[in-house]
Amino acid sequence: GEDVEQSLFLSVREGDSSVINCTYTDSSSTYLYWYKQEPGAGLQLLTYIFSNMDMKQDQRLTVLLNKKDKHLSLRIADTQTGDSAIYFCAAGLGFSGGYNKLIFGAGTRLAVHP
Amino acid sequence: GAGVSQSPSNKVTEKGKDVELRCDPISGHTALYWYRQSLGQGLEFLIYFQGNSAPDKSGLPSDRFSAERTGGSVSTLTIQRTQQEDSAVYLCASSLSSGAQTQYFGPGTRLLVL
Repeated sequence: GEDVEQSLFLSVREGDSSVINCTYTDSSSTYLYWYKQEPGAGLQLLTYIFSNMDMKQDQRLTVLLNKKDKHLSLRIADTQTGDSAIYFCAAGLGFSGGYNKLIFGAGTRLAVHP
Repeated sequence: GAGVSQSPSNKVTEKGKDVELRCDPISGHTALYWYRQSLGQGLEFLIYFQGNSAPDKSGLPSDRFSAERTGGSVSTLTIQRTQQEDSAVYLCASSLSSGAQTQYFGPGTRLLVL
C-alpha cells in the first residue's frame, strides 16, 4: 500500500526559508497535500497540487513535485514564528473505492527561532 | 456551522469503560472521515462515510470500535472496553462529496485511557 515519509524535525531561523520534504510510494497518487497542525488544533489545509503539475506557488508557499522520484517539498519563504507547527504531507489515492483516500506522513515539526 | 466541530475536546476515561466521540461536519458535506493520531504518529484512517453508509471501514483497529452516522450529518465513534493503547487524538474530517479533493478537519478529541 501507499507509504508517505517525512523527516520528523526541522529548525530554522526567523526570516530564513524552510523546506520540508516528503516522499511517497504510490505513483498513481493524484493529489498531494500539505496540512498544518498547530498545538491543540486540528489540521488546516495549506495547499495541494495535482499530480500533473510540477510547481504551485501561493504567497509565501511553494510546492514542488518530482513525480519521477515521488518527491514532494514545501518551501516557506521568510519563515515567521507563527509558522512553528507540525506539517503533514498526504497523498490522495484518487478515488479508487469511490473516494479520495488520503494517506498521511508522520509529520514534520518545524521550530522557528529568533 | 462554519467548520467541523467535535466533542468533547478532551476525554479521560478508565480502562474498560466505553466512550462516545461526536463529530458535526460542515453543513452540506456528504462525506465524513474519522482518523486517529497517536503520539508522534501520522494520521491513521479509521472509517469513511458517504451519507449514512460506511463503504470503507477497513481502518477500524478492532471490533471494539464502531461508528455510525445519522441524518447524513452527525457521526459518533464508539470505543467499547477502552484500552490504554486507544489513547490518541481522534480527528474527524468532512468533504463536500466523496469526489471532492479537499477534506476539512475538526479540532479533534484527545482521549486518555488510564
